Parts: sequence; structure tokens; C-alpha cells
Amino acid sequence: NAGVTQTPKFRILKIGQSMTLQCTQDMNHNYMYWYRQDPGMGLKLIYYSVGAGITDKGEVPNGYNVSRSTTEDFPLRLELAAPSQTSVYFCASSYSFATNEKLFFGSGTQLSVL
Amino acid sequence: QKEVEQNSGPLSVPEGAIASLNCTYSDRGSQSFFWYRQYSGKSPELIMFIYSNGDKEDGRFTAQLNKASQYVSLLIRDSQPSDSATYLCAGGEGNKLTFGTGTQLKVEL
Repeated sequence: NAGVTQTPKFRILKIGQSMTLQCTQDMNHNYMYWYRQDPGMGLKLIYYSVGAGITDKGEVPNGYNVSRSTTEDFPLRLELAAPSQTSVYFCASSYSFATNEKLFFGSGTQLSVL
Repeated sequence: QKEVEQNSGPLSVPEGAIASLNCTYSDRGSQSFFWYRQYSGKSPELIMFIYSNGDKEDGRFTAQLNKASQYVSLLIRDSQPSDSATYLCAGGEGNKLTFGTGTQLKVEL
């Protein structure tokens, strides 16, 4: 049981380049999330999904896009990379939105935009 | 703007002592509160959650919630060097979960 798997672990982009961060989970969770974590800051929600075909914006969605074609996969797309998108990105999943529901996190992607 | 505030630390305690980590929150509507531990360069992992006023104990960890004061705390008894990490406090549910910036704990030999 792999849990939440993210790829790549590290990536350096030039300004204006595009890339997709991959995320897949094998726990059959309906709920998936993308967070970013800047140094010394808390996790900020970028986008989330409550099931295949359903996505919605979080707190900091600008510059990102997502899709959810299957229950397992929730890729995050950066179209025109900017230095402000330098961060560590975490994908997470949960079984529900219940009050005691824990988040299962992937190992993270460290992205630098230069 | 919903906020969860933590002292960034570092909080240094000697091995075997009690570490006390604190968190305040602004959204009175938040029902659940979580403590995640994050080792350097790693992803957060859940230690405890609490949603009722009072104390909740799990091994060496005790979470405390005071909704009237909008205050959450985590006590770690018999602190070990392996407890050295950043502890993230979070309040809310699902897509409304708000994280604090974390408190760095250092347990010294």
C-alpha cells in the first residue's frame, strides 16, 4: 500500500516554462488536495477535489490548474512558471471532510523557478 | 481571514522534560483541531486531533482545547530527541482547514 505518491521530488524551472506535478493515491479516497508550503509559512490550499470530475479553488489558486479524471490521480499544472511559485508542493488525500478526518500527505515536490 | 497562530520557536527543552506547544485560532466556527509533526524535508504526519473541550491523551501526547479562549495546545511528556521537529497546528475541516506556521521543537540531550 503506497499511500500518496508524488513525482517528481525536485524540479528546477525557468521563468515561463510549464510543468505538471503528478499525484496518485491507492487508498480509494474521494477527497484530494494540493498545498504549497513556503519557508516559515503554513500550508496553503491551492486546489481540491471531492471526486472524479469535480475540482474547486482553494486559498491560492492563481497560476495553477488541476484536473481529476480518475479517483486515483490529481495532477497540478503550472502553465507559466514564476519565481513566486518557488515552494514545496504537497498532495494530500482524505476519506471525507468529516470533523476528525486526517490528511494523508505525499512526500512533496520541491520546485524552484529561476 | 481565518488565522491559526503559533510561536515559530525554536522551543528548546531537555530530554525527559515536558514540551508545551501552543496555538490560537480566530475562527469560532472551527470544529476540529489537528497537530501534525513535520521533520525537516519531510511531509506532515498526524499526531492528534481534538474537537471537544478539555484534554485528550494518547501515549506521551496530550492535546488540550479551550473553545472559549480559542486556544489549542499540545503537551509532549518525557520528550525525546526523536521529537525534534516542527509541529503544525491546524483548525477546521476538509477544504476549510487552516494551518499555522508551525513551532520548531528541539529536544536537547
